[in-house]
Amino acid sequence: DAKTTQPTSMDCAEGRAANLPCNHSTISGNEYVYWYRQIHSQGPQYIIHGLKNNETNEMASLIITEDRKSSTLILPHATLRDTAVYYCIVYGAGSYQLTFGKGTKLSVIP
Amino acid sequence: SAVISQKPSRDICQRGTSLTIQCQVDSQVTMMFWYRQQPGQSLTLIATANQGSEATYESGFVIDKFPISRPNLTFSTLTVSNMSPEDSSIYLCSVVGLGSTDTQYFGPGTRLTVL
Repeated sequence: DAKTTQPTSMDCAEGRAANLPCNHSTISGNEYVYWYRQIHSQGPQYIIHGLKNNETNEMASLIITEDRKSSTLILPHATLRDTAVYYCIVYGAGSYQLTFGKGTKLSVIP
Repeated sequence: SAVISQKPSRDICQRGTSLTIQCQVDSQVTMMFWYRQQPGQSLTLIATANQGSEATYESGFVIDKFPISRPNLTFSTLTVSNMSPEDSSIYLCSVVGLGSTDTQYFGPGTRLTVL
């Protein structure tokens, strides 16, 4: 699976949009971009995933660049409960191999 | 998504003993996995729990230390054997559901402390 690069940490003001970047320049054509978050050592929570089109669900939006070498997870109105470590993972269909990096520690500030 | 539960949620054990962790899903799933998260670290895959056959272990993990069972499509156990303080971690199961995408969903985790 392709490797990802994320900033170590980010701050976001409560109520503002949180934009979390991820670089995955070696992604292959059949690999998906998945986002999870982990709140204070709980089990990772699935957020969203995409292949090449932008995706939106009730939690977040995922913007993938046209060349698929990077993506951005957007939390539209961050709350204090969104404080967590966010993991961007490139995941080959059918491989079932999730490789977790260090992720981005997002702190939402009142 | 499936509802995944783990028992126990946490435990404190003495070195040299063994602990069995249970993972229960409320619907049948195709794949089940076990991960370890050591203090301050990210998650590492231990093994894939195969129904009706031996688990498939990742490099650095062996069956004698982490025996795994999966008797059916909704249940799996992970045993941490002959524990030492280095085994203090959070242990998590994850599943991939039948008829769904390849998305993995995680259980709440078991926090293990070995004294």
